[in-house]
Amino acid sequence: QSVLTQPPSLSGAPGQRLTISCTGSSSNIGAGYDVHWYQQFPGTAPKLLIYENNNRPSGVPDRFSASKSATSGTASLAIAGLQADDEAVYYCQSYDSSLRGWEIFGGGTKLTVL
Amino acid sequence: QVQLQESGPGLVKPSGTLSLTCAVSGGSIGSNNWWSWVRQSPGKGLEWIAEIYHSGSTNYNPSLKSRVTISIDKSKNQFSLRLTSVTAADTAVFYCARGVAAAGSRYFDLWGRGTLVSVSS
Repeated sequence: QSVLTQPPSLSGAPGQRLTISCTGSSSNIGAGYDVHWYQQFPGTAPKLLIYENNNRPSGVPDRFSASKSATSGTASLAIAGLQADDEAVYYCQSYDSSLRGWEIFGGGTKLTVL
Repeated sequence: QVQLQESGPGLVKPSGTLSLTCAVSGGSIGSNNWWSWVRQSPGKGLEWIAEIYHSGSTNYNPSLKSRVTISIDKSKNQFSLRLTSVTAADTAVFYCARGVAAAGSRYFDLWGRGTLVSVSS
């Protein structure tokens, strides 16, 4: 299983606001390392959605936002005004300082727009 | 703009060695970025494998380190991956990606399209 824990699936209706959680531990998010988020459609490469906890690359709508709590070792991705083409798999990513350090991904959350 | 393109055999025999190359076009591999390999087993999530800097510095996923070598060829503007002693569990889509340094971590702002490598006799 992944070092970062995400809900395997979530669903929401168009227009709804939805949040995807990413839970880590004291050796990764809890240690203050940045969290990044990716969006992946079937058969395509992941696309950077959020970097450094809450920054959007150019072209990413402001409907997507994210936050991190190092105190609780968790991060969250929020999607407002859910749209049909938001249906994808979302991954969080951070760094883990155990075992000499390595980049880690969450297991991914499949978002279904009802 | 910078693009990444993976290449290599799509089929590798069990116990063999998987070798892939990622060609960087539209930019220099000597830029201030780390270059990574990430894989995704069929129907599964993403797994970071290794990264390399143009200086030759490397980092590896601890669970794969004993079988993985990442290398860079600045003259050809490309970097490569070798994974030895492969089994069916290594069947995956392999992506190369550009890593940007963040606070203690990297984020991957550019990805190749990925290449499927199957391990089968």
